[in-house]
Amino acid sequence: GDSVTQMEGPVTLSEEAFLTINCTYTATGYPSLFWYVQYPGEGLQLLLKATKADDKGSNKGFEATYRKETTSFHLEKGSVQVSDSAVYFCALNRYAAGNKLTFGGGTRVLVKP
Amino acid sequence: GAVVSQHPSWVICKSGTSVKIECRSLDFQATTMFWYRQFPKQSLMLMATSNEGSKATYEQGVEKDKFLINHASLTLSTLTVTSAHPEDSSFYICSARTSGAPYEQYFGPGTRLTVT
Repeated sequence: GDSVTQMEGPVTLSEEAFLTINCTYTATGYPSLFWYVQYPGEGLQLLLKATKADDKGSNKGFEATYRKETTSFHLEKGSVQVSDSAVYFCALNRYAAGNKLTFGGGTRVLVKP
Repeated sequence: GAVVSQHPSWVICKSGTSVKIECRSLDFQATTMFWYRQFPKQSLMLMATSNEGSKATYEQGVEKDKFLINHASLTLSTLTVTSAHPEDSSFYICSARTSGAPYEQYFGPGTRLTVT
């Protein structure tokens, strides 16, 4: 079945540091890929997405590129802020699977001033 | 736009009682809604898919008689935890999927259930 693997946290960074969260997936066909963010005490918010190979999703300074050859969708941000402290989830869905989302385990990021 | 609300945001109930959680899409219609459970510091586990006007589809291992789901309208789905036990304590999150393409899912803020 479909699966998503992402690096375990917590990841602790200083403000303005570079952030990378690795995400790889296993799925048949052509999934869409997503990054969601969950701030403390809140539900998930869609951060960015990519629907086909080589697409780059971007939002709020975050970027991720859909790499079909390496089945990866790594999240990056060049200069993090304290407000980026959250849990980040990589996910995929497939139309053939009813568009149900499959989530990775989540990566907690803590940015210190 | 695309706001999903959940009510209540936090509930405490005693063992053996039932509790209902509502999920509403406030500004769009959602033929399909999903219910997830999230344990502390863990990922989301899909419990069931709720379709308006029909029976919910439960994931393997989820007791349908314990977690009753009703999707009576295009903007409301409810999850009722029946005969709650302390092990049912968790964070329950719903999402609503837009009825038309591109079938985006929007998540509610979650409901924290504590069973004493």
